[in-house]
Amino acid sequence: DAGVTQSPTHLIKTRGQQVTLRCSPKSGHDTVSWYQQALGQGPQFIFQYYEEEERQRGNFPDRFSGHQFPNYSSELNVNALLLGDSALYLCASSLGTREEQYFGPGTRLTVT
Amino acid sequence: ILNVEQSPQSLHVQEGDSTNFTCSFPSSNFYALHWYRWETAKSPEALFVMTLNGDEKKKGRISATLNTKEGYSYLYIKGSQPEDSATYLCASNTGGFKTIFGAGTRLFVKA
Repeated sequence: DAGVTQSPTHLIKTRGQQVTLRCSPKSGHDTVSWYQQALGQGPQFIFQYYEEEERQRGNFPDRFSGHQFPNYSSELNVNALLLGDSALYLCASSLGTREEQYFGPGTRLTVT
Repeated sequence: ILNVEQSPQSLHVQEGDSTNFTCSFPSSNFYALHWYRWETAKSPEALFVMTLNGDEKKKGRISATLNTKEGYSYLYIKGSQPEDSATYLCASNTGGFKTIFGAGTRLFVKA
């Protein structure tokens, strides 16, 4: 049973560029949440997708957008990258919008 | 309390010591409290999901309690082992669909 997978593992981008991160949920899960974890902090909630819709959003600007596909996989897009966007981006899946979450290994994004 | 707060920020113990840490969370619109264990270079791993006031959960040497009226949860580790070294995160889900994480308690267990 495949767990949550994320790609790529690491990514280096330049300020102003755009990036797309990908997440495949655990088999049987229908909900995907995205988190940003900066050094020394806990994961910060970005948004959650269920039934291909954004259900809830944290305090992140519109530069952060996402999508969920019919197979429940999800993408996180960040436009106009800033140095402060450098972080570990975690994807978590669950069965239902408020149930126990299973995390992927994360994508480490570095913006130079 | 508006945010989820964890204390202490870090903790150094000797092998065999028992230890505990605290998670404080907003008590209004409470739905669930999650504890995760996050080892370096791995994904956060769910330890417990707790929903009822007075709930106690146990998994091996690790246990947790929940007080939803006052908004706190304790995580206990009995007889710490070096393999318990990790960051322990708590996360509160309150009514809506978003989960708010604390900054974590980083535990170091010395052999």
